[in-house]
Amino acid sequence: DAGVTQSPTHLIKTRGQHVTLRCSPISGHKSVSWYQQVLGQGPQFIFQYYEKEERGRGNFPDRFSARQFPNYSSELNVNALLLGDSALYLCASSLELYEQYFGPGTRLTVT
Amino acid sequence: AQSVTQPDIHITVSEGASLELRCNYSYGATPYLFWYVQSPGQGLQLLLKYFSGDTLVQGIKGFEAEFKRSQSSFNLRKPSVHWSDAAEYFCAVGADNAGNMLTFGGGTRLMVKP
Repeated sequence: DAGVTQSPTHLIKTRGQHVTLRCSPISGHKSVSWYQQVLGQGPQFIFQYYEKEERGRGNFPDRFSARQFPNYSSELNVNALLLGDSALYLCASSLELYEQYFGPGTRLTVT
Repeated sequence: AQSVTQPDIHITVSEGASLELRCNYSYGATPYLFWYVQSPGQGLQLLLKYFSGDTLVQGIKGFEAEFKRSQSSFNLRKPSVHWSDAAEYFCAVGADNAGNMLTFGGGTRLMVKP
C-alpha cells in the first residue's frame, strides 16, 4: 500500500507570495494533520482535519489555513510568506486515534 | 498543556554498543507516547507507541521503550546499535483533550562510530 504522499517535494517562494502544499493520506485514513519542522527543531502541530472538519489548530497565525476534500486529501495554504516560514512541512494521516503516519514532507524555502 | 523534553541533543555510540535515549514528558493525565525516527531530509517513521497496558513496549528495528509514570519518562533503548541507526530521534506525546495533536521534543541526533 502507498504511504502518505506530499507534493511538491521542494519549492522556493519569495516573501509576500502565497503557497499551497498538498497531501494524500494512506488509503482508508480519514484524518490528516499538518506539522511545521524548522531546521534543527521538532515538528510543531499546525492543523488536524477529520472527515473534512477542523478538529485542532496549533499556535499559528491566520496566514495559515487548510482544508480537507471529500477524498480525504488535504491542502495547506500559507499567505504573505515570511522568511521564518521556511521549513519542512509534514503531513500525517491516521486511522486510529493518535497513531499518525508521516509523509516525506515538502521543503519550503522563502527568499 | 503537554510538553516533551529530550535532554540529550547529540549522542555518539560505537556500533554494537547499547543505546538509551531519554524522554521526559509533562501531562496531567495518562499520556499517549511515541518515538519517531527521521533520516536526513526525510519524514518521520513511527518506531513504537504506548497507549496503555504493559509499560515495556516493543517496536520495529529492535527498539523498545519503557513508560515510567513515577518519573514521567519514556526512554528508548536498543541493546546493540547498527550503523544504519544513525538518525534523529523524536519523542512525542498526545493528549485526550487535544484531538490528534502531537507535541514533539526537540530531538536527539544519534551518531554511530564504526
